[in-house]
Amino acid sequence: DADVTQTPRNRITKTGKRIMLECSQTKGHDRMYWYRQDPGLGLRLIYYSFDVKDINKGEISDGYSVSRQAQAKFSLSLESAIPNQTALYFCATSRRGYDEQFFGPGTRLTVL
Amino acid sequence: AQSVSQHNHHVILSEAASLELGCNYSYGGTVNLFWYVQYPGQHLQLLLKYFSGDPLVKGIKGFEAEFIKSKFSFNLRKPSVQWSDTAEYFCAVLGGGSQGNLIFGKGTKLSVKP
Repeated sequence: DADVTQTPRNRITKTGKRIMLECSQTKGHDRMYWYRQDPGLGLRLIYYSFDVKDINKGEISDGYSVSRQAQAKFSLSLESAIPNQTALYFCATSRRGYDEQFFGPGTRLTVL
Repeated sequence: AQSVSQHNHHVILSEAASLELGCNYSYGGTVNLFWYVQYPGQHLQLLLKYFSGDPLVKGIKGFEAEFIKSKFSFNLRKPSVQWSDTAEYFCAVLGGGSQGNLIFGKGTKLSVKP
């Protein structure tokens, strides 16, 4: 769905580097989310934001930070990447809490 | 806390076979239920959702799911699968103390042999 975009789509980096993954949406949704997907583990929530001033930790926030620069932009940072952060990362949005979420195309991150 | 169980890790079917993927959730109160599909190399797309009303929900591409409250289940079905249904399927739940966040099952990979 082109309404939620993520950059970069693929990234290979080295241990200890700082990485930023970006998400933008044109759906006008207030809520934005970051998930990571690992084989056999499904999707796990890293951080979520109800609006620009409301950011919350998810299930697996350690080692990650986020920034909600505007309603349409939500960035995920790995301050010092480690190999077990190698995963597929998805951004998602929703209009309100109890509603379906719309997912971006994902960023495949490899930490060597 | 809410949790979601998908019983099958990998299902292999031949084309035209019937499909049923199991999903159980742990919370007994009001929940919203979803099935998402992830085709190879793609992002998650919504197949169908249940919020209230008729417990038999029809989605895209001939999929349907039945909400059975007494069994805490929301199983996905399709009468006749096609090779193009090869994908990973995720059940997800909103509710039960999840603070408006989706709780996903671990996914079921479906492989359809032509």
